[in-house]
Amino acid sequence: KQEVTQIPAALSVPEGENLVLNCSFTDSAIYNLQWFRQDPGKGLTSLLLIQSSQREQTSGRLNASLDKSSGRSTLYIAASQPGDSATYLCAVTLGDNNDMRFGAGTRLTVKP
Amino acid sequence: GAGVSQTPSNKVTEKGKYVELRCDPISGHTALYWYRQSLGQGPEFLIYFQGTGAADDSGLPNDRFFAVRPEGSVSTLKIQRTERGDSAVYLCASSEGRGNYEQFFGPGTRLTVL
Repeated sequence: KQEVTQIPAALSVPEGENLVLNCSFTDSAIYNLQWFRQDPGKGLTSLLLIQSSQREQTSGRLNASLDKSSGRSTLYIAASQPGDSATYLCAVTLGDNNDMRFGAGTRLTVKP
Repeated sequence: GAGVSQTPSNKVTEKGKYVELRCDPISGHTALYWYRQSLGQGPEFLIYFQGTGAADDSGLPNDRFFAVRPEGSVSTLKIQRTERGDSAVYLCASSEGRGNYEQFFGPGTRLTVL
């Protein structure tokens, strides 16, 4: 059974810091890995999607890497801002049905 | 174009009651997914539709839960004899098809069972 783990569970940093969020998964047979942002009481906003054949994706201040063989992904956020405060979820997509398995998330707080 | 929409946004019910949650996927998306998210946890897969048929319902927790998608577009998640443990946010997502397609999520329905 695919297990997805995110470390740390919570992170608090001062504004301007660069930071890394970690995601690990137990079964490397994935189609893709996706990072989402979730604000309190809201749905999921897709940030980056990495196909299984790719090593990384970048969007603005965000960079996500994927090492499928070791079952790991990182989300790098450069020059963090208070508006980045949210919960960040990673999810892997499995099999032909496109089923997704999520981690529990990292709750990020960026202090002004 | 419009994204995935879900109604109601909030639903409060009493233990033992029946509830229906609705999902309107992105137009043209043939795949539709339901997830449940408990407080402090990531979403958990419930059921997947490809067109009108439930291709994978392995995530439904018990037979009180079932979902339909009669015309291959709108889907309804139905919960019978609700229990307090059913309280969660129910998320719907849709994608272009089966296989390696990005899923787009709705805002969710927050269900509270008193």
